[in-house]
Amino acid sequence: EVELVESGGGVVRPGGSLTLSCEASGFTFGVVGMSWVRQVPGKGLEWVAGINLNGETTSFGDSVKGRFTISRDNAKNSLYLEMNSLRAEDTAFYHCARGFGDPDYWGQGTLVIVSS
Amino acid sequence: DIQMTQSPSAMSASVGDGVTITCRASQGINKYLAWFQQKPGKVPKRLIYGASSLQSGVPSRFSGSGSGTEFTLTISSLQPEDFATYFCLQHNSYPPTFGPGTRLDIK
Repeated sequence: EVELVESGGGVVRPGGSLTLSCEASGFTFGVVGMSWVRQVPGKGLEWVAGINLNGETTSFGDSVKGRFTISRDNAKNSLYLEMNSLRAEDTAFYHCARGFGDPDYWGQGTLVIVSS
Repeated sequence: DIQMTQSPSAMSASVGDGVTITCRASQGINKYLAWFQQKPGKVPKRLIYGASSLQSGVPSRFSGSGSGTEFTLTISSLQPEDFATYFCLQHNSYPPTFGPGTRLDIK
């Protein structure tokens, strides 16, 4: 069974940084692309970032480009999202998802709150 | 970025009804479209990929069609567990973009 478990969320001040992690199990992690998708509670969905199977290709949504970095460690079956220069509008649940642009399985998410 | 719109934004229907939700893209996306179902407090679940392919384990009452700029999700006979919010997602061009969602309520 595919399982994706995110961690690392929390409360951070505007301008601060945070790194999210996602541990994957139940599938061969190193042969699939991965992505991060965020959702403000009760609102819509926004694709944040994606990374191909070996980490050589990444892509970002316009609102986070230049501030967020996505990476992976295939030996640890783990995906990461490094978030810098955080803004209030980055407040959301962040979901790790299997697939680069068309995610099929999603984790439960970790909540990031950017507030002073 | 490609803009996705959905119609209606909300609708009410009864168990047993058939319903159709439409998703439109601001430019052609071939068949690079997926449909997701989300229930309150739950993670989105993919129903359809490639515009018309049914995700494994999803009931056959769900079907998708379309290509280019206009797509539809049809539920042939609503069951109680189908009342949820539905989103479309295009991944023809990066960044992928979601539609704003269609909330389906029980009448």
